Amino acid sequence: EPEVTQTPSHQVTQMGQEVILRCVPISNHLYFYWYRQILGQKVEFLVSFYNNEISEKSEIFDDQFSVERPDGSNFTLKIRSTKLEDSAMYFCASSEQGINEQFFGPGTRLTVL
Amino acid sequence: KQEVTQIPAALSVPEGENLVLNCSFTDSAIYNLQWFRQDPGKGLTSLLLIQSSQREQTSGRLNASLDKSSGRSTLYIAASQPGDSATYLCAVARNNAGNMLTFGGGTRLMVKP
Repeated sequence: EPEVTQTPSHQVTQMGQEVILRCVPISNHLYFYWYRQILGQKVEFLVSFYNNEISEKSEIFDDQFSVERPDGSNFTLKIRSTKLEDSAMYFCASSEQGINEQFFGPGTRLTVL
Repeated sequence: KQEVTQIPAALSVPEGENLVLNCSFTDSAIYNLQWFRQDPGKGLTSLLLIQSSQREQTSGRLNASLDKSSGRSTLYIAASQPGDSATYLCAVARNNAGNMLTFGGGTRLMVKP
């Protein structure tokens, strides 16, 4: 069964460093998303991406964040200069169409020291 | 701004019991509602998707209902098993192009053998 994959599963970085989180969405899906979950808190939407551009972004997704689809299979989230409060589980998701079911990857746990 | 609330926050039941998890949302202008299962430290597994025009969806021992006008959804689990122990999240997709999901805080379910 097709699934969303994410790498790495765990990333440890120093405050101020850049990180890139990688995702491979399900192959025939057209919509891609990033969410995050700070420990003990709700899952929060970051950004949605369709047709090579951002469809919507939340207040969390400021200038420190960017997304890219560098090729036909990968979808990346870059955090330019990490802060302690960026420590969270980051989930990638994809859907066939915008109104369809969203399928989530296993997540990348980001720890900022 | 959409707010999603799940009650109860935690639930412990003996194996075999039928149970109901509740989800409420403040803005009825939704595209769909999705129920997820999350195991500790893991990603989100989609269980059921209900489109805004539907009243219920069934998958195996799970049945989800949606009353859009009153802003409520329930997830019914029949004949619960210890393997059902997990956190159950509901999320609503807003009626716009970005299709962002707004999540509730979840119900942590423990089914005791």
